[in-house]
Order: sequence, then C-alpha cells, then structure tokens
Amino acid sequence: GQQLNQSPQSMFIQEGEDVSMNCTSSSIFNTWLWYKQDPGEGPVLLIALYKAGELTSNGRLTAQFGITRKDSFLNISASIPSDVGIYFCAGRGETSGSRLTFGEGTQLTVNP
Amino acid sequence: SAVISQKPSRDICQRGTSLTIQCQVDSQVTMMFWYRQQPGQSLTLIATANQGSEATYESGFVIDKFPISRPNLTFSTLTVSNMSPEDSSIYLCSVGARSDTEAFFGQGTRLTVV
Repeated sequence: GQQLNQSPQSMFIQEGEDVSMNCTSSSIFNTWLWYKQDPGEGPVLLIALYKAGELTSNGRLTAQFGITRKDSFLNISASIPSDVGIYFCAGRGETSGSRLTFGEGTQLTVNP
Repeated sequence: SAVISQKPSRDICQRGTSLTIQCQVDSQVTMMFWYRQQPGQSLTLIATANQGSEATYESGFVIDKFPISRPNLTFSTLTVSNMSPEDSSIYLCSVGARSDTEAFFGQGTRLTVV
C-alpha cells in the first residue's frame, strides 16, 4: 500500500521563528492535503494542493506540491503560540480513488 | 466546508459491549469515511460508506467488528462491536467535498474501553 513519511516527528521552536515540515510518498499522488489537529478535536484542513509545482498560501502558511508528485512541504512563518498542535499531511494516489493516506504527523511546540 | 457533528464526543465502555457512533452532516454528501486514530498515532481509514450500498472496508477491518450504516446522504453510523481495550481510540467521521478532492472531519469520538 501507499506510505507517507512525514518529518520531523516533533519540533520545539521559539515564537516568531519559521517552521518547515515535509512529506514524501513511495508513489505518485494526485492530491496533497495539510491538516492541523488540536487536542480533543478532529483535523482541520489548512491547505489543499492539486497539481505538481503548485504553491498555495493560507495566511502565514504556505504549502507546495512537489514537481515529482511524490512530496509536499508546509511552511509556517512567524510562528505564534496558537500554532501549537499536530500537523498531518495526507495524500491521494492515482489508484486510491477517494481514499486518503495520512502521514504520521509533526508535533509542533511554540515557546512564547 | 461541511459541518459535521459526531455523537457521542466521548465514552467509557465495558469490554464485551458495543458502541454506536453517529455522524450527521449539514449537507448531502456522496461519500462518508470512518477513521480510527489510536493514542499518539496517525489516522487510519476503516471504511468508506456510500448511501444505498455496503460499506467498503480497508485491509485489517471487517464488517462484523465495525458494522456501518448509511441510510441517507447526510447520516452514517459506525458500531464498534464486542469491544476490548485495544479498541480504545478516537473514531472520526469524514466527508468529501469538491468532487471528493478535499476531506473534512468531525470532532471525533474518544472511546475508552475498560
């Protein structure tokens, strides 16, 4: 089956710093999605990417769909304490229909 | 985006019993998905539920353990049957949007089996 490797597993940063996390796939993906999950909540969709090379922003967040279609990254600029949470990448492959495969998540801690 | 409501939000259950989780969406959707998130882990797809047909289960999940109903385009239930402590997880309902290229989640049901 499809596998997603997400890194880093965790990050501890100071408020105001920029953050970068990425995901790589063992196969080609048609869609990349980035989510944030707060404790006790379901994942919230941050950014959706649909084609290779696409670069999309949502406020301080920027994500890119890799040109090989096997990777994606998420950047957070000027981090603030409310950025704390777990960030998940998710992808949809060529043969997976509507099913999503999720990365293992990146736990982000922001120190004020 | 769709508004998805799950009930219950959490429960503590005795082993050997069953729990049915409800998922209500504020708009009609073709596909609904059920995920499991074990403590400290990522999300794993249990099954895809389409209205009017049997759910499609992923490898490692079976209908006898996780029966699913999908009576209409806005509602689905997932039952966790004959529970054991290993079933303690967060169970999440998800729906597709934009021709199922995007996916939105409910707040989840935190299940603890004792």
